[in-house]
Amino acid sequence: GNSVTQMEGPVTLSEEAFLTINCTYTATGYPSLFWYVQYPGEGLQLLLKATKADDKGSNKGFEATYRKETTSFHLEKGSVQVSDSAVYFCALSKAGGGADGLTFGKGTHLIIQP
Amino acid sequence: EAGVAQSPRYKIIEKRQSVAFWCNPISGHATLYWYQQILGQGPKLLIQFQNNGVVDDSQLPKDRFSAERLKGVDSTLKIQPAKLEDSAVYLCASRPTGGTEYFGPGTRLTVT
Repeated sequence: GNSVTQMEGPVTLSEEAFLTINCTYTATGYPSLFWYVQYPGEGLQLLLKATKADDKGSNKGFEATYRKETTSFHLEKGSVQVSDSAVYFCALSKAGGGADGLTFGKGTHLIIQP
Repeated sequence: EAGVAQSPRYKIIEKRQSVAFWCNPISGHATLYWYQQILGQGPKLLIQFQNNGVVDDSQLPKDRFSAERLKGVDSTLKIQPAKLEDSAVYLCASRPTGGTEYFGPGTRLTVT
């Protein structure tokens, strides 16, 4: 079945540091890939997505590239801010309609210190 | 545009009791999902509806969990009887045709 593995947290960085959160997946076919973010006290929000190999999703300074050869979708940001502190979830869904609910990783808690 | 609404936001029950959660999706969203998020884990899909029909309930523990989406709009998720391991946040999400999922704030269930 489908599965998503992401790096364990918490990840603690200083403000303006470079961020990478690793995510790899196992799936049949060509899934769509997502990063969701959960800020303290708030619900899950879509951060970015990519629907086919070599696509790059980007939003709010975050980027992730769909790498089919390495089955990865690592999240990166060049300079993090305190406001980026949150839990980040990597997820996939089967493409093409039908049963397409999300399969999530366990989440990575990111803490940015001033 | 109003978001996905869920109620109640919090619920505490004793084991073996019953509980029901309600979800009102974003207007016009044909697809509705229920997820279970246990503390420290990512959400796990329980059931997916397309309008009022079930598309996927392969991970729903059908001996105690049930869900319905009458008239293809609101949905309810029920647990009867509850177990300690059902303590979790229950998330509802909806999606427009061809779009991505929008999540509600969730219902935090504590089973004592």
